[in-house]
Amino acid sequence: DQQVKQNSPSLSVQEGRISILNCDYTNSMFDYFLWYKKYPAEGPTFLISISSIKDKNEDGRFTVFLNKSAKHLSLHIVPSQPGDSAVYFCAATRGSSNTGKLIFGQGTTLQVKP
Amino acid sequence: GAGVSQTPSNKVTEKGKYVELRCDPISGHTALYWYRQSLGQGPEFLIYFQGTGAADDSGLPNDRFFAVRPEGSVSTLKIQRTERGDSAVYLCASSQNPGLQETQYFGPGTRLLVL
Repeated sequence: DQQVKQNSPSLSVQEGRISILNCDYTNSMFDYFLWYKKYPAEGPTFLISISSIKDKNEDGRFTVFLNKSAKHLSLHIVPSQPGDSAVYFCAATRGSSNTGKLIFGQGTTLQVKP
Repeated sequence: GAGVSQTPSNKVTEKGKYVELRCDPISGHTALYWYRQSLGQGPEFLIYFQGTGAADDSGLPNDRFFAVRPEGSVSTLKIQRTERGDSAVYLCASSQNPGLQETQYFGPGTRLLVL
């Protein structure tokens, strides 16, 4: 049972344009969401997060939006840069678990073309 | 400072053999996690250590998998009687403390191939 889903395996955008990566979840107990970025042969690196008490969190070019009623979140990158080309993973966790165990989506490969 | 390191970076073994994968977390981090990433999938949780104890091992797929962290720092993931389906990238992560909003820092992973 895939509790966190990223239905788009890949996305290609032009440099300078907006990249929008989407993520859906099924478990209503999730209350904290994260995005990780992964380059080849490296481990995932934390990008941005959002608590379920918020609907938006912004950090520079990266903004995460959370729609709890739709169980949907998205990552916006504006403007996109070639260095943003990587695999992006959405992850979720439950505060009540008290462990920080992350449940990841399958990932979306973003290609930003110069 | 140094990040999370994992050794070996690659491991090729034969079906039925025993393997050990090592993780050195960031110094001072009390929480340590193991994940497994199969081709085309996201990382999948295996086990979580708080200090020396395994606080959550609900992700270990079966009793061939075992992990230890005897001194609360380095951890070893042990796989007995390896099967071809165990082939994956094994990722280790650590965080300063456990819990909801602590950032997990990942190592580069060990790529395990079982022939």
